[in-house]
Amino acid sequence: AQSVTQLGSHVSVSEGALVLLRCNYSSSVPPYLFWYVQYPNQGLQLLLKYTTGATLVKGINGFEAEFKKSETSFHLTKPSAHMSDAAEYFCAVKKSSGDKLTFGTGTRLAVRP
Amino acid sequence: KAGVTQTPRYLIKTRGQQVTLSCSPISGHRSVSWYQQTPGQGLQFLFEYFSETQRNKGNFPGRFSGRQFSNSRSEMNVSTLELGDSALYLCASSGSPLAEEAFFGQGTRLTVV
Repeated sequence: AQSVTQLGSHVSVSEGALVLLRCNYSSSVPPYLFWYVQYPNQGLQLLLKYTTGATLVKGINGFEAEFKKSETSFHLTKPSAHMSDAAEYFCAVKKSSGDKLTFGTGTRLAVRP
Repeated sequence: KAGVTQTPRYLIKTRGQQVTLSCSPISGHRSVSWYQQTPGQGLQFLFEYFSETQRNKGNFPGRFSGRQFSNSRSEMNVSTLELGDSALYLCASSGSPLAEEAFFGQGTRLTVV
């Protein structure tokens, strides 16, 4: 069975600082990997995805993530945090396109002025 | 193009009652999945429907059921509500079961008192 581990349930950064949200997965096969963002009282919005091909994936709002098979990681980064980035972020995995999504426990990002 | 629409947005029910939640997928999408989100358990997969057939089911009791109509709209039903059923219920739509990504609605916040 696949699983996703997000290290750090809460991360706080200053505005303009680097954002790094960690995600490690376990999967018996090369997985499909996703990052979603959730704003208060909202659903999930897809930030970016990795399926095949280039391991550095660029998403919306300046976020990117790199798939590292050797480290079984898919960490999310953004060079410069903005106040509007404050939200909860979920890493998710599925083993094939037809599989269900398995989510991590989420990381709440706070951005200090 | 309209997104995924979930109704109602908020619902308060009493223990022992039943509830029906509705999800209208993105136009042209035929696959609908349901997830439960709680602070304690995070995001958990309930079930997936495609062409009016349940394709996949998560580990939830039989009180949780769903269905899909010929127009791809889906409903989920929870009978004999328990306090622990209080959650945000999210619906996601995909073009097909083999689609790589899912698009989420804003969710229905169910409170059981």
